[in-house]
This record gives sequence, C-alpha cells and structure tokens, in this order.
Amino acid sequence: NAGVMQNPRHLVRRRGQEARLRCSPMKGHSHVYWYRQLPEEGLKFMVYLQKENIIDESGMPKERFSAEFPKEGPSILRIQQVVRGDSAAYFCASSPRAYTDTQYFGPGTRLTVL
Amino acid sequence: KQEVTQIPAALSVPEGENLVLNCSFTDSAIYNLQWFRQDPGKGLTSLLLIQSSQREQTSGRLNASLDKSSGRSTLYIAASQPGDSATYLCAVRLTNTGNQFYFGTGTSLTVIP
Repeated sequence: NAGVMQNPRHLVRRRGQEARLRCSPMKGHSHVYWYRQLPEEGLKFMVYLQKENIIDESGMPKERFSAEFPKEGPSILRIQQVVRGDSAAYFCASSPRAYTDTQYFGPGTRLTVL
Repeated sequence: KQEVTQIPAALSVPEGENLVLNCSFTDSAIYNLQWFRQDPGKGLTSLLLIQSSQREQTSGRLNASLDKSSGRSTLYIAASQPGDSATYLCAVRLTNTGNQFYFGTGTSLTVIP
C-alpha cells in the first residue's frame, strides 16, 4: 500500500507564474490536508478537503491560493502569481475518515520562487 | 488561539545519552498530541500519539508524557543513537475545532557518534 504521494518534489517558479502541487492520498483515504512550512517556522495548517468539498480553509491565504480534491484524481494546491514569500515546503496528509488519530504525511513539495 | 512551543530549538548530544525534548501548548483543551520525526528533505513520520485521557505512551526507546493541565508534553529518548538525528515536532489537535494539527517549530537533534 503506497503512502501519500506528492509531486513534484521540487518546483521552481519565477515571480508571477503559477504553481500547481499535487497530492495523491493513501488508498482508501478520502480526507486530505495541506500544510505549509516556511523557512525557520513550524508547519501551518492551510486547508482540509474531503472528496469534492472544502471543509476548512481557515489557514489558506485569501488571495492567489486555491485547493481542490476532485472525485477522480489527486488533490491540487494551486498558487497563482507566485511571490518570493511563497517559497516553502508544502506537505499533504491524508486520513481515512474525519477526527482520526493519525494523519499520514507525504514527502512534501519544495517550492522555490526566483 | 493555540500556540505550540518547543524547547530547545536545537540539541546536540553524544551517542548513548538519554535526552528530553519539551513541548508546551497554550490551550489545554486538546483532543490529542502527537510527536513526529522529520528527516531532512523528507516528510513526517509519526512516533507516538497520546490521547487527551492518557498520561504517557511508550514505543521502544521513546516515551512521551502528557500533562494537559499544565499544557506540557515531553519526549524522552533513551540511549540515543546517531540514527536518531532528525527534527522532532510535536503537534496538538483541539477538541473544538477541525481536523488540523497545530505544530511546534521543532527541536533539531544531532547525536554525535
């Protein structure tokens, strides 16, 4: 049973471009969480999604960021018009149901904005 | 707002030494607390999970304790090994909010052979 998959592992973008980060949850998991780890900071929650629904986006910046988890395919975190401050590691986690004890984390995508 | 703090930020010990990592949180109404390990360039690996009703959990050389009333948890690592070198993160989940974890900034541990 493969773990949480994230791709790409490393992504370089120039200011103003778009970044698309993908997360494939573990098999059988329908709950996905995105976290961001800025340099020298702890992981911060961004958004929680179930299939086709955004449940909690309280940690998501109001502009330029969006997330989706379609019925088929991976969850996508999209950052439009990236700025240097978006450079960070973005981690995805999944769980089989809500309010579980454990979230399974992917290896992260390291975004660098030039 | 929940704030999670980890002390020290970095720790370097000789191999074989026992050590304690500290985690404190401001809101004692937690659902559970979890300790993770993060290796450079990699994701997080769950080490120990303590439910709010529990006082401690043990796994091999690791022992985690939880004192909800004081807002503290400790991770005890016995007989440290070079392979224990990593960043250790604690995270809490609150009872009255969603499913996300609130993470501390981590303790970077180096075990010197």
